Amino acid sequence: SQQGEEDPQALSIQEGENATMNCSYKTSINNLQWYRQNSGRGLVHLILIRSNEREKHSGRLRVTLDTSKKSSSLLITASRAADTASYFCATDLNSGGYQKVTFGTGTKLQVIP
Amino acid sequence: DTGVSQNPRHKITKRGQNVTFRCDPISEHNRLYWYRQTLGQGPEFLTYFQNEAQLEKSRLLSDRFSAERPKGSFSTLEIQRTEQGDSAMYLCASSFAGGGAHNEQFFGPGTRLTVL
Repeated sequence: SQQGEEDPQALSIQEGENATMNCSYKTSINNLQWYRQNSGRGLVHLILIRSNEREKHSGRLRVTLDTSKKSSSLLITASRAADTASYFCATDLNSGGYQKVTFGTGTKLQVIP
Repeated sequence: DTGVSQNPRHKITKRGQNVTFRCDPISEHNRLYWYRQTLGQGPEFLTYFQNEAQLEKSRLLSDRFSAERPKGSFSTLEIQRTEQGDSAMYLCASSFAGGGAHNEQFFGPGTRLTVL
């Protein structure tokens, strides 16, 4: 089963609007990462936030992490058509002494020009 | 191009055949990961290596699946006696980790397997 659950599953917005995606997870983590995947392509790393961090920015991206609620959000400001893609959160958690990386189910974002 | 490469990009095989995929990570990366992704789903973790040691295997990795990274560089993923349910995109990723936590992973383009 997948650790992370993204919400919403799909999102359609107009170019220039902001897009917010949420990720919830079940167990304690070392860090949480967000990835983007364009249709039929490989994944691209966007941002990593550690368990002791609450917010992180990278360009038009803002990620928050609430470990008490076991949730994270990804905000894309001033969206562009090129932001159309699927977005996944990935959690790094301890499992039997080793670290596993578990991806969520993804949010499919469509930005309409 | 110094990114992660995977070969072949596409593989069509008949049920019951064996297939092998190769992944060449970024050269200075010590960790290598294999994932499986089906349509509309996120990548599912299969296994990962730190150098040549296989440190974690998912329960998804049945006894028909085996992965190796003999010299701590490239890796192969073999599926024996393929089944139609094995049809998926197989993704490889690499990263550099100095400690226990997983860092940013760089993904290859994937190998799309179709089992007829």
